[in-house]
Amino acid sequence: DGGITQSPKYLFRKEGQNVTLSCEQNLNHDAMYWYRQDPGQGLRLIYYSQIVNDFQKGDIAEGYSVSREKKESFPLTVTSAQKNPTAFYLCASSNSPGQTNYGYTFGSGTRLTVV
Amino acid sequence: AQSVTQLGSHVSVSEGALVLLRCNYSSSVPPYLFWYVQYPNQGLQLLLKYTSAATLVKGINGFEAEFKKSETSFHLTKPSAHMSDAAEYFCASAGGTSYGKLTFGQGTILTVHP
Repeated sequence: DGGITQSPKYLFRKEGQNVTLSCEQNLNHDAMYWYRQDPGQGLRLIYYSQIVNDFQKGDIAEGYSVSREKKESFPLTVTSAQKNPTAFYLCASSNSPGQTNYGYTFGSGTRLTVV
Repeated sequence: AQSVTQLGSHVSVSEGALVLLRCNYSSSVPPYLFWYVQYPNQGLQLLLKYTSAATLVKGINGFEAEFKKSETSFHLTKPSAHMSDAAEYFCASAGGTSYGKLTFGQGTILTVHP
């Protein structure tokens, strides 16, 4: 079955350390997204990519970096510059709005905790 | 910029009662609209979506939503709540002319009492 796989499910980061969250999809979607979820704040967009080798900042990109070397993969790196990284991170992908089955598919999330 | 407002961060109903979760959007062009459900420590599951076909949209688990352009609303309803409906619900919108960034409301936590 097609879907999005995020790994790991739980991740612990020490102060000053960079960590990378994995996101892989086999839906043949062109666009991929990273969201951060904090209690009571909904989901906020970190970065998104509409095509391989191209990506744009979302609303809260500071302290994060991404790459899109393959259509299937969109890893997110939480750098030491992100001062409050403890959160639930969700990856998503979507096809084109012109398609009849247009929609977004979400992964199961990674919970990152600073220790 | 698009925005989505969900009225009420917490809604509590009795089992068997009507569920009504409110969502209003702001957009100069009727957007695509979605309702998602999230259970603790899980991803988002699509309940239903509006893509300008029918204004009354039926989704999974007995949920439905009606798109009202005049009120810029897309409220989610279910005639009879079940204990398993207890979760957090998100309304979201996306632009219709290109790859849209999905904009979310703040979420509504639904509690169902026996």
